[in-house]
Amino acid sequence: GAVVSQHPSRVICKSGTSVKIECRSLDFQATTMFWYRQFPKQSLMLMATSNEGSKATYEQGVEKDKFLINHASLTLSTLTVTSAHPEDSSFYICSARVQAGSGNTIYFGEGSWLTVV
Amino acid sequence: AQSVTQLGSHVSVSEGALVLLRCNYSSSVPPYLFWYVQYPNQGLQLLLKYTSAATLVKGINGFEAEFKKSETSFHLTKPSAHMSDAAEYFCAVSPSGGYQKVTFGTGTKLQVIP
Repeated sequence: GAVVSQHPSRVICKSGTSVKIECRSLDFQATTMFWYRQFPKQSLMLMATSNEGSKATYEQGVEKDKFLINHASLTLSTLTVTSAHPEDSSFYICSARVQAGSGNTIYFGEGSWLTVV
Repeated sequence: AQSVTQLGSHVSVSEGALVLLRCNYSSSVPPYLFWYVQYPNQGLQLLLKYTSAATLVKGINGFEAEFKKSETSFHLTKPSAHMSDAAEYFCAVSPSGGYQKVTFGTGTKLQVIP
């Protein structure tokens, strides 16, 4: 089946630095990818929709200058957390939409744990 | 607008007992509905989805869910719980046809007691 891979799975960075998380669709092309954030013991909150070759669409309340999303190819979207602060520590997870048969489906990556110290 | 309500943040069942995880949805358009499972420190895995075909949907690992429009529900069931079913389960909804925005419930943690 379709596989979505995220890298790194865990990252620790210093406050004030930037960190990039990659989301790759391994055996299909994904024109649309989604980025979610999950705080401990909470549900997933959609941050932005990433469309290949165009600007990402951010959800209300998500700082686009802080969470930079680039979808440069049909198999790769990146999320860069700029000037990270401890409150950005969270589980970030991407999903990719693939058209299959009569409809679409989405597959999730394994997620990336970000800890800002 | 769409939303999902999962009743019960924690559910405990004995091994071999029926699993019932409740999900009610609200959607202004015909919905697609999903159940995902998340094991500790892992991403989400799709269990099953309803996309306006059969109202009783069978998924992986013996799970199934029934779409009931009159009750706006999409409860997840499994006849006999296994220890390996212990995980967090998320119900989700999106507008039909597009996957433009998937809204997740707050999750239900399933504990299976030996």
